[in-house]
Amino acid sequence: QKEVEQNSGPLSVPEGAIASLNCTYSDRGSQSFFWYRQYSGKSPELIMFIYSNGDKEDGRFTAQLNKASQYVSLLIRDSQPSDSATYLCAVKGSGGGADGLTFGKGTHLIIQP
Amino acid sequence: DAMVIQNPRYQVTQFGKPVTLSCSQTLNHNVMYWYQQKSSQAPKLLFHYYDKDFNNEADTPDNFQSRRPNTSFCFLDIRSPGLGDAAMYLCATSRSTGEAQYFGPGTRLLVL
Repeated sequence: QKEVEQNSGPLSVPEGAIASLNCTYSDRGSQSFFWYRQYSGKSPELIMFIYSNGDKEDGRFTAQLNKASQYVSLLIRDSQPSDSATYLCAVKGSGGGADGLTFGKGTHLIIQP
Repeated sequence: DAMVIQNPRYQVTQFGKPVTLSCSQTLNHNVMYWYQQKSSQAPKLLFHYYDKDFNNEADTPDNFQSRRPNTSFCFLDIRSPGLGDAAMYLCATSRSTGEAQYFGPGTRLLVL
């Protein structure tokens, strides 16, 4: 069974610091990796996706992927109070066909002013 | 703006009374998904369509059905809602397999 694991938190980070969110996955053949942000009572919002090993940067966000270690992370630089939310890691597994994503339960991030 | 739209945003139904949730998209994506999300839990995939091909997750209860009459619309039918079906129902779309999924705002279902 495919699993995606995240520390549920809460992870508390002071404003302006770097927030580091981590995710591990069980399906070694996974191909695509996504980070979503979800505010309380709202739907998930795509922040970043990464397909290849290494780093991918988009503004204040950096996604890091290490397929050998089955590990993906999200760094948020210059954290703002508006970054306070639950961050969901989602993985597209190795199965063929148009299957969905496997989501982790999310990490609750709190940015302290 | 291209988007995923869900109606209604809030739905209250009675125990056992059928309910239909709708989703439409202007992204012209091939794949449409329905997820169920309960409080503090991960979204759980119920089923999805790749174009007209329907794919049901193995553990989706028979109480849940879906229809996709055309590329733009997809419906979730709950035939006999139970109290345990109260949740946020999320519709998502993607251009193709393995690509990013984009979510609608969700429909929050309350069962009395």
